[in-house]
Parts: sequence; C-alpha cells; structure tokens
Amino acid sequence: DADVTQTPRNRITKTGKRIMLECSQTKGHDRMYWYRQDPGLGLRLIYYSFDVKDINKGEISDGYSVSRQAQAKFSLSLESAIPNQTALYFCATSDTGPFQPQHFGDGTRLSIL
Amino acid sequence: DQQVKQNSPSLSVQEGRISILNCDYTNSMFDYFLWYKKYPAEGPTFLISISSIKDKNEDGRFTVFLNKSAKHLSLHIVPSQPGDSAVYFCAATWGAQGGSEKLVFGKGTKLTVNP
Repeated sequence: DADVTQTPRNRITKTGKRIMLECSQTKGHDRMYWYRQDPGLGLRLIYYSFDVKDINKGEISDGYSVSRQAQAKFSLSLESAIPNQTALYFCATSDTGPFQPQHFGDGTRLSIL
Repeated sequence: DQQVKQNSPSLSVQEGRISILNCDYTNSMFDYFLWYKKYPAEGPTFLISISSIKDKNEDGRFTVFLNKSAKHLSLHIVPSQPGDSAVYFCAATWGAQGGSEKLVFGKGTKLTVNP
C-alpha cells in the first residue's frame, strides 16, 4: 500500500462545482502539504499544515481551502471550480525535525470544463 | 520571479555515461536543497539532498554538488541507466535547521538515457 494516498486519481468536472481532493497517509508524519503542478512548471505550494490545529497559506492559496481532519488526513477543496484550476495536484508529508524531505502521493489529475 | 531555475528542459545521454543536471537559485536564504525524480503518472520521489553547510553529498550513483558562491547546484548520475529516464526537479527551502517548510521547485529537466 502507498504511504501517501490521494483520491480520486482523476476527476473531470464543470465550472462552478465544488470539489474535494483527499489525502491520507500512513507515515505518521505531522506535516502535510498540497501542491499544484501545471504543464512545464514546477510544483507550487497551495497550503500546508504542521499539525491538526495549524494550517498555513502557501504561494497560491486563492480559490482553495483545506481541512486537516486528523493527523493522517488533509483535504483540499475548490469551492467553485474554474477552468484555470485544471492541473495536477499533489499531496505530500514530512516528518518534524531538521532537514526532513517531503514524500509525495501519486497525484490527482483535475480537469475543469 | 523564479527563485529556483533549471534552464535545461531536457537532457539526453547514453547508457553508462555521466548525466549532469544543473540548478541555479537566487534566494540567499535557502539552506537546504533537494532533488526529486518523477516518473509519468507518479508523484515526485525524493532522491538526494544537501544542506548549505556542505558542498557535496553522495549516495550510490548519485552525487549532488553545491557551490554557494555561484548559487548553483548540480546532480551527477554515474553511470546513467535507462531506468534513470525521468523528470528531475531541483527544490530548495530555508529554515531547514528547524524543519523544512515550503519547498520552492524548479521547472524540471527531463532526462532520457538511451540504451
């Protein structure tokens, strides 16, 4: 089983719809992250959470919200999807402590028509 | 304003030869650098990292070199294998001594290793 699981893996939806992407992890890490990747670009940070009660905006948080339901679960919501939110979305986790790398799920490909 | 730059979108090498992937950064606050490898339809996989107090870190066939004065790092793969064909992302962060927070990624370099 994957350590960082994202659901769904693919989603096609329409403009204006509310969408939730889910991430769960079995690594026992406190820190979780949501990134977005667009074609030809690197990953950009949307939101991050250092524990259940700590949520922070990243570089591109407008139009997104998150919920940290438990240590192992971190969900990303698009309240009213728009076509320029079409992208590949990645969830990641990391352990607490110095120099800890982030570990990524396999991504959710989201298309908004 | 791109803080982490990978200026070569692609690189092609022969199996058995050395692959050198380059990365430049502009933010002097960065103190921890990572390389990730990404296969199609999979998430990025952590490959190797280096802190700013070092200038070299080696792990098997992979070596990362850091030149702080030039704000440049490179990943060397020796010998290159066809299974190394992937997109490689350079990433950087700051405040890593207290725990890495926000990674800033380059756009990636697609490496193709030809048999």
